[in-house]
Amino acid sequence: DVKVTQSSRYLVKRTGEKVFLECVQDMDHENMFWYRQDPGLGLRLIYFSYDVKMKEKGDIPEGYSVSREKKERFSLILESASTNQTSMYLCASSSGQDQPYEQYFGPGTRLTVT
Amino acid sequence: GNSVTQMEGPVTLSEEAFLTINCTYTATGYPSLFWYVQYPGEGLQLLLKATKADDKGSNKGFEATYRKETTSFHLEKGSVQVSDSAVYFCALQNTGGFKTIFGAGTRLFVKA
Repeated sequence: DVKVTQSSRYLVKRTGEKVFLECVQDMDHENMFWYRQDPGLGLRLIYFSYDVKMKEKGDIPEGYSVSREKKERFSLILESASTNQTSMYLCASSSGQDQPYEQYFGPGTRLTVT
Repeated sequence: GNSVTQMEGPVTLSEEAFLTINCTYTATGYPSLFWYVQYPGEGLQLLLKATKADDKGSNKGFEATYRKETTSFHLEKGSVQVSDSAVYFCALQNTGGFKTIFGAGTRLFVKA
């Protein structure tokens, strides 16, 4: 069964802290994505990666960075957390073959920055 | 640019009622269209998809038809159940593109 896992379901951090959100997929997928989900705004793409060590900015990359050192793992980094980064963060992956590319999602990490 | 607009929620229905959630899109070319569902406490999962005009996607009693002339992909179900309570997202993906554009989501509550 297809699986995308995220390191934490809930996280509370203080303003200014460096925050790491980890995502692992077991499907050998080429593409991985980080979104944030906010009420009324749906899902907004932060960053995506189509290969190891490759990354592309999404629609709202400011204040975030990513790392993909291995195919199965995609990390989202908040360099200096701020209260406006309080949100639900969703990781997803998709194959690089067989269009259209169905996305498989993890359960999400609810991050609160105080 | 590409965008997806879906009806605002929440939508509240009684069990066995008919469901329609409207979705319209703006895109260049011929995108693929999707409905994803998010159950409480979970990530999104694909519900159904359609890849070309007049295609009908269906799954678990839900249906949606790709209407190019009206740029719409409305989700329907003839008889909803309490277990259908969730948030539903309409989405599009351009041919050859990795990125998926999501609508804002519509929350559905079904009462017993």
